[in-house]
Order: sequence, then C-alpha cells, then structure tokens
Amino acid sequence: KQEVTQIPAALSVPEGENLVLNCSFTDSAIYNLQWFRQDPGKGLTSLLLIQSSQREQTSGRLNASLDKSSGRSTLYIAASQPGDSATYLCAVGNQAGTALIFGKGTTLSVSS
Amino acid sequence: ETGVTQSPTHLIKTRGQQVTLRCSSQSGHNTVSWYQQALGQGPQFIFQYYREEENGRGNFPPRFSGLQFPNYSSELNVNALELDDSALYLCASSLEMNYGYTFGSGTRLTVV
Repeated sequence: KQEVTQIPAALSVPEGENLVLNCSFTDSAIYNLQWFRQDPGKGLTSLLLIQSSQREQTSGRLNASLDKSSGRSTLYIAASQPGDSATYLCAVGNQAGTALIFGKGTTLSVSS
Repeated sequence: ETGVTQSPTHLIKTRGQQVTLRCSSQSGHNTVSWYQQALGQGPQFIFQYYREEENGRGNFPPRFSGLQFPNYSSELNVNALELDDSALYLCASSLEMNYGYTFGSGTRLTVV
C-alpha cells in the first residue's frame, strides 16, 4: 500500500529565506507526482506536476524534483514571502492513474 | 475558462440523514474524482468517474456513491450519515486520466 510522508509537519521562517519541503513515498511505481497549496479552510491549488519520466519542474520561485528510485520529492521555494504561508501537500498518482495519494502536508509560516 | 465549482459551500446535517454534494468540472475535463479531507489530514480518495463510468474506488463503504452526467458534472451521495463523515469534501477534474488535477474549493459537511 502506497504511503506518502511529508517532513517537517510545520515550518516557520523569516521572509526572504530559501526553503525545502520534503516528500517521501514507499512505492516507486507512480504515475506522476503533484504538489499543491492549501489555504486554511480552502480547496487545493496545483503548483507543479512532475510526470514519472521527469526529474524536475519549475514555476517562478518554485522548483520541484523527483527521484523515483529513492521515493523522494522536494519542493524548493526561493526568497519566501508572507503570502507563501499555507499548507503544502504532496500527492503521488497511483500506477493506474485513477487516484492521488496524499501526504498530511507541511504547514509553512513566513514572517515579515 | 471556468475552474471546478462545488455546491453548497457549507452544509449541516443530522446523523442518519442523506446528503448530495455537487460538482461542475472544468470545461473540457471528462474525469472527476472526489476526496474526503478530515481536519489536519491529507485528502483521501473516495472514487473517480471517467466518461460517466466509475473508474476507481478508495476504501469507503457503499453508502458513499456517485454519478457523473453527460456534461461531466458529478454528484457525491452519502447515505446514513455518521459523525465521522464530518469533513471537507473536494472535487477534482482532469482532462483525460491523470493529466494533473484541478480542485474545487470544497464543501464543508458537518454532521451533528
């Protein structure tokens, strides 16, 4: 059974700092991996999608990497801003492409 | 291009009642999935519909059922509500299976 773990569970940083969020999964047979952002009480906003054949994706200040063989992904946020404060969720697509399996998320707080 | 819209946004029901949640998928998306997110947890996959057929199901009892309509909108029905069904219910749509998912803002269901 696929399990997704996100470390740390919570993170507080001052504005301007670069930071890394970690995601690990137990079964390397994934279809893809997607990072989401969730504001309190709200839905999910897709940040980056990495197909299983890809190693990384970039969007603005965000960069996500994928190492399937080791079951790891990282989300790198450059020059963090208070507006980045949210919960970040990692989800792997099962091999059949029918479901996302989520971690519990990392709650990020960026102070000005 | 409209995103994924869900209704209602909030709902309070009594234990034992039945509830129907609705989702309009993003234009052109033929795959719809439903997720349950308990407080402090990552979303859990309920089921997926692809071109009006159930295409995958998570570990949820049969009292959780769904439909997808010809316009690709969808409903989630939950019978015999239990207190533990209180959660944020998220709908996600995709263009063909697993092209990355777009999520709605969710329906907050409270069972009392």
